[in-house]
Amino acid sequence: DVKVTQSSRYLVKRTGEKVFLECVQDMDHENMFWYRQDPGLGLRLIYFSYDVKMKEKGDIPEGYSVSREKKERFSLILESASTNQTSMYLCASSFRGTGIIDGQYFGPGTRLTVT
Amino acid sequence: GQQVMQIPQYQHVQEGEDFTTYCNSSTTLSNIQWYKQRPGGHPVFLIQLVKSGEVKKQKRLTFQFGEAKKNSSLHITATQTTDVGTYFCAAFKYNNNDMRFGAGTRLTVKP
Repeated sequence: DVKVTQSSRYLVKRTGEKVFLECVQDMDHENMFWYRQDPGLGLRLIYFSYDVKMKEKGDIPEGYSVSREKKERFSLILESASTNQTSMYLCASSFRGTGIIDGQYFGPGTRLTVT
Repeated sequence: GQQVMQIPQYQHVQEGEDFTTYCNSSTTLSNIQWYKQRPGGHPVFLIQLVKSGEVKKQKRLTFQFGEAKKNSSLHITATQTTDVGTYFCAAFKYNNNDMRFGAGTRLTVKP
């Protein structure tokens, strides 16, 4: 079974702190994704990566950065956390597929609260 | 960028009734994926549709992709309490590297 793990289930940080969210997958997937999920808004893509050291902006990249130094690991960084970044953060991974992105496997999520 | 509308936002049914959720895009899509998220859980991949007019079935679930590749539906026949959750579509448009999830349809089933 594909396993996508995230470093924390719950996290509480203060405004202005630098926050690191880690995601690791064990299926040798090329693609990795970071989403945030808010009630009524569904999942919104923050960044995705289709290869090591490669990244693409999603719908809402402002206030976030990412790092992918190894194929299995994709990190989301909040440079200076703000209260409007309080949310559920979901990591996902998938095979690249033949010209399309294959189905994504999600981690359990990190519920981040910024006070 | 593309807009993805998913309707209805909520659906409450009696066990045994059918359920359908619709996903509509303003632009032609490359492919579409469907996911299910149980309460308190994370999204789980159900299926991917790629071809115009494609229909796929998984037991009581039927997935369709429109002829114009702008809309899709998920139909559940004779719902069960295990079908409870939120169903999301994810729409892909590759010529501008665009991927977007619908807001989801939350299904509740009364026994």
